[in-house]
Amino acid sequence: DTEVTQTPKHLVMGMTNKKSLKCEQHMGHRAMYWYKQKAKKPPELMFVYSYEKLSINESVPSRFSPECPNSSLLNLHLHALQPEDSALYLCASSSGVYNEQFFGPGTRLTVL
Amino acid sequence: GENVEQHPSTLSVQEGDSAVIKCTYSDSASNYFPWYKQELGKRPQLIIDIRSNVGEKKDQRIAVTLNKTAKHFSLHITETQPEDSAVYFCAASRRGGGTSYGKLTFGQGTILTVHP
Repeated sequence: DTEVTQTPKHLVMGMTNKKSLKCEQHMGHRAMYWYKQKAKKPPELMFVYSYEKLSINESVPSRFSPECPNSSLLNLHLHALQPEDSALYLCASSSGVYNEQFFGPGTRLTVL
Repeated sequence: GENVEQHPSTLSVQEGDSAVIKCTYSDSASNYFPWYKQELGKRPQLIIDIRSNVGEKKDQRIAVTLNKTAKHFSLHITETQPEDSAVYFCAASRRGGGTSYGKLTFGQGTILTVHP
């Protein structure tokens, strides 16, 4: 399996809701990432997990909470989001040595 | 931190022409330079990459060149086809380790349109 998968594909939530995004990879990669992407802009790094430990948090607001239950799974818990958080949320994974990052298809999030 | 500048922001070519996209980076310690293609509504897809011990790399119609002294690298697409139309992002990073593990810094992107 050479893919990164993400669920759900689309998510609409209100500002008081709690939801979670899920990401899975079976490539044996030891680094996993969350990115946020606005239309026609580059992906913005949010979090990096290395060997299941959080190694980089790019000053992301606490309403985004990452979790790495094991080396294949990465979650992003969402709570009390704002409309400006509406974006495509991309997960990626990497073997780490030469940093080739492979992206999942993303979750299109709309916050009402 | 690293800063990557990408030009042009839009590029329009006729089918069969060549397209060149250029990026410059600021961190001389960067040693890995991937290029991603993102079609509308899809994921960024790694199309080619180059490491700092190599000056040029080719894969069919796509090539990337790297000038470490000048700190710039370029994507060259020959014999362009309408399906090459997409947003292209360059990026730079250092080999993993410590707090820089796997951190890619992206350019702002180039919207390439190939007219039939």
